[in-house]
Parts: sequence; C-alpha cells; structure tokens
Amino acid sequence: ETGVTQTPRHLVMGMTNKKSLKCEQHLGHNAMYWYKQSAKKPLELMFVYSLEERVENNSVPSRFSPECPNSSHLFLHLHTLQPEDSALYLCASSYGTSGSHNEQFFGPGTRLTVL
Amino acid sequence: AQKVTQAQTEISVVEKEDVTLDCVYETRDTTYYLFWYKQPPSGELVFLIRRNSFDEQNEISGRYSWNFQKSTSSFNFTITASQVVDSAVYFCALSESQTGANNLFFGTGTRLTVIP
Repeated sequence: ETGVTQTPRHLVMGMTNKKSLKCEQHLGHNAMYWYKQSAKKPLELMFVYSLEERVENNSVPSRFSPECPNSSHLFLHLHTLQPEDSALYLCASSYGTSGSHNEQFFGPGTRLTVL
Repeated sequence: AQKVTQAQTEISVVEKEDVTLDCVYETRDTTYYLFWYKQPPSGELVFLIRRNSFDEQNEISGRYSWNFQKSTSSFNFTITASQVVDSAVYFCALSESQTGANNLFFGTGTRLTVIP
C-alpha cells in the first residue's frame, strides 16, 4: 500500500450504531487530519494530530471521537450520529512541524450515510 | 467571511479548449501559503501546487499554469488544451501563519467538465 488509505470506503449506519473509520498513511508523515466534506460547503477541518498529540479540535460534537495510536494510524469513532452527519470523511497527512505549511496528502475518503 | 472564494461553481469546456479557474483569498497575514488540489470522481484530493506569499513568480507545469497576483489577492489556475481526464472538482486553499500551519482553509471548489 502506498499513500493514504481509508477504510471502509462506504458506510451506512443507524443513529444508534457505533462504528469507526480507519486511516493509515505510508508516507512517513508526522501529522494527520480528519476533514468533513458536505455538499456545497468547503471542506471542514475536524481534528489535527501532530506527533500523536491532538493539536486542533474545531468545535466538533462529542459524538465524533478521534484516536491516534501512532503516527501512521488515525481513527474516527462514531456514535449516536445524526442524519446531518452524512458526508464524505477525508483523512490527510503531512510533515507537520510548526510553521511548515506543508502540503497535505489525502486518502480517498469514507462516504458515510446516517439513516 | 470566507477566506477563499471560488466564484465559479461549475465550468464546462470542450476538449482542447483552455480554461481558467479563479481563486480569490482574504488574509491579513503577510506570510501565507496558497494551494490547489484536484478531486477526481474517485474522491481523494490530489495536491497540485503550493506557493508562498513571497514568491509571486508564475509557475508552469506541463499544461497547468498558475497566476499569483498579490495586488488582487488572486491565485488563478489555467489548464491549457484541456483533456477529458481533467474533469474533476478543483479546490483552492490557504494557510496562514496566524491561524497555524496545519489549518487549511478551502474554497467551495469548481467542478470542471471537459466534453469530448
């Protein structure tokens, strides 16, 4: 595997379910990100992890819970979601040293549908 | 206020035509970076270019070229002799020193359709 991979690619869940999205990067980066992409809206940055520490949490509801066990893996745990949470969830990684402004590399995304 | 504006929601061109995608940004920072990404139907965003605010030199990469104009806060992207494979959604993005290097502010994207 190369680049940034995400599983599953598609997920349908009920509002009472608990599920997790997985992201893995094979680029040797030290920063990882979760974004939400909804129709007709800009990509929304949800969480940033740098060197496995969460450095950004953009007022995301607590029903989304990120986990970064090491610099190559990032999870997004989902529970009691709402239909408006249906979106494409994108993971990205980069060399994330302070002030670097490096480009981020994205995975293919997980298309989430909440019924 | 949105930091990155891509006023063109959708553009259609016939193959081999040139097309320019507009991007206007807003920042009070003197140090910032601008990016373009391509999102094909498969979903992943593909990085195309990064420019810093101190480098206004235009850049050309094959059929792609970028025009950075600080005076008008614009960073436009031109595809020359478009091809069907160029069909995608294109995003312009900005990162500023004051809001952190990890924060990328994206525009709403421009959907380009190249008709054979």
